[in-house]
Amino acid sequence: DVKVTQSSRYLVKRTGEKVFLECVQDMDHENMFWYRQDPGLGLRLIYFSYDVKMKEKGDIPEGYSVSREKKERFSLILESASTNQTSMYLCASSFARRQGTEKLFFGSGTQLSVL
Amino acid sequence: AQSVAQPEDQVNVAEGNPLTVKCTYSVSGNPYLFWYVQYPNRGLQFLLKYITGDNLVKGSYGFEAEFNKSQTSFHLKKPSALVSDSALYFCAVRDRVYSSASKIIFGSGTRLSIRP
Repeated sequence: DVKVTQSSRYLVKRTGEKVFLECVQDMDHENMFWYRQDPGLGLRLIYFSYDVKMKEKGDIPEGYSVSREKKERFSLILESASTNQTSMYLCASSFARRQGTEKLFFGSGTQLSVL
Repeated sequence: AQSVAQPEDQVNVAEGNPLTVKCTYSVSGNPYLFWYVQYPNRGLQFLLKYITGDNLVKGSYGFEAEFNKSQTSFHLKKPSALVSDSALYFCAVRDRVYSSASKIIFGSGTRLSIRP
């Protein structure tokens, strides 16, 4: 089975801290994604990457950056955490073949609280 | 621009009754459509997808969904609900005109509650 592992299940940080969320997948997927999930808003795409060292902005990239130095690892960085970034963060991955028909595999999520 | 709407925040159904979770979409071309389910304290899991062909798609756990192009809908259905189906359900769409910038867009989610 595909496994997408997020390094922390719960995280509490202070305003202004630099925060790193790590995600690793073990199925050699080309595509990786970071979403945030908020009640009533569903999932919103922050950034995605379709290859090593490649990244594309999603719908809400402000206040975030990403890093993909290796194919299996995709990191989300909050440069200076703010309270409005308190949310559930979900990482996902997929194959790039078949022009966008491939399903996403999700990690269990990281619940980040910024105080 | 792509968009997807799930008009119901919550759906309540008695165990054994049929269930429907509604989804409508908007894309510039033809869509790829997906349903995902999220059980408590877990990430999303893929349920089913419509790519082409038969408008009725069968997926995991006895769920199915019907693609209706004229109504731009992709409602999730199950003939007989189980208490274990209680979860948060997300509809998602991607434009068939695929590029690296083409993204899967998710709806806001519908919480399905099955009472014994």
